[in-house]
Amino acid sequence: DAGVIQSPRHEVTEMGQEVTLRCKPISGHDYLFWYRQTMMRGLELLIYFNNNVPIDDSGMPEDRFSAKMPNASFSTLKIQPSEPRDSAVYFCASSRQGVKTGELFFGEGSRLTVL
Amino acid sequence: RKEVEQDPGPFNVPEGATVAFNCTYSNSASQSFFWYRQDCRKEPKLLMSVYSSGNEDGRFTAQLNRASQYISLLIRDSKLSDSATYLCVVNRATGRRALTFGSGTRLQVQP
Repeated sequence: DAGVIQSPRHEVTEMGQEVTLRCKPISGHDYLFWYRQTMMRGLELLIYFNNNVPIDDSGMPEDRFSAKMPNASFSTLKIQPSEPRDSAVYFCASSRQGVKTGELFFGEGSRLTVL
Repeated sequence: RKEVEQDPGPFNVPEGATVAFNCTYSNSASQSFFWYRQDCRKEPKLLMSVYSSGNEDGRFTAQLNRASQYISLLIRDSKLSDSATYLCVVNRATGRRALTFGSGTRLQVQP
């Protein structure tokens, strides 16, 4: 089975540009999570969805960030406009039973650099 | 105060050594606990769950102390391949139903 697929793997952009990160969860998983990882703050939950519905977006830093899940097999995280402090690795993860078993399956991440 | 705190390390140990990491959590309502492993520039992966009675998986032993609000991971007979960052993870019983990750403890096993 294919794992969680994220794109792009690497993105370098300039401040003020729009960034769109994409994620395809594992088929059959009904929970999808977006995390951000930096050296300073570690892994932070941004938002998560259950059955394509956003459940908790309290981790989204500010209005510049938005996330959508139009169907069970696709989600996007958008940053507009981007700022240098948004530079991080953005991980998408999916699971079948939420966090009951503690097992989230992570994608390989999208490494974002904002100049 | 961070919800999950870990010593960032690095812990540099020789092959064959036994090494232990601790992690403290601040929310007494935390319900379940896990250790994840993250290799350099890779994604985190579940290593093991942590049960109240303690549990073992091969060379790895995890323990939970609810009274003191900490969990531990013990690695026996360290291998070079154990070199990674170990993330302590908690799941709250209430509120946000998602996993909260510690910043990780880096382990470097040396030949």
